[in-house]
Amino acid sequence: DTGVSQDPRHKITKRGQNVTFRCDPISEHNRLYWYRQTLGQGPEFLTYFQNEAQLEKSRLLSDRFSAERPKGSFSTLEIQRTEQGDSAMYLCATNLGRNSYEQYFGPGTRLTVT
Amino acid sequence: AQSVTQPDIHITVSEGASLELRCNYSYGATPYLFWYVQSPGQGLQLLLKYFSGDTLVQGIKGFEAEFKRSQSSFNLRKPSVHWSDAAEYFCAVGARNAGNMLTFGGGTRLMVKP
Repeated sequence: DTGVSQDPRHKITKRGQNVTFRCDPISEHNRLYWYRQTLGQGPEFLTYFQNEAQLEKSRLLSDRFSAERPKGSFSTLEIQRTEQGDSAMYLCATNLGRNSYEQYFGPGTRLTVT
Repeated sequence: AQSVTQPDIHITVSEGASLELRCNYSYGATPYLFWYVQSPGQGLQLLLKYFSGDTLVQGIKGFEAEFKRSQSSFNLRKPSVHWSDAAEYFCAVGARNAGNMLTFGGGTRLMVKP
């Protein structure tokens, strides 16, 4: 079990650019969650997938954000036309799904928008 | 909607002293409750969880937590703190619905004096 992995670990981009992050779940974990954590705050839920289906999106997920999980394995989170307010740590978490409630987090991707 | 409050933003204890981190939650039913720990620049590691049954739960690294329904609390304790326990601690409540997404408190930063 290699744990949840995320790539890249750090990303610095200029305002207006698009960025994409990747999350690879623990094997056989069919639920995958994205959270955003700003400095000094707890993580906030963005969206989650059950296999390849995106089942819920937070109101925090503006139209500039899109997430996919095309084959029910890895997931990508894309932010278009980045703004300085998007600077945060983006965390991915996974779990086995139904009747499994604890989530296992990856190391996160730290985004800095200049 | 559920919410979590961690009243203490910072706590400093001496190495070897006991520790209690406070967590209060708001949820309409019996919640799933979690404590996570985060080292600087890292993802979150699950310390312990409560789903049902015995209200005193044991976790990793010598931590325990007690669920008190009457006080809507889930405080984290450790009898003797080690310097390596310095980190940020997050309490979270999990929704008992299809998504089981987590709502986090704002965190408590623990510093350990030698």
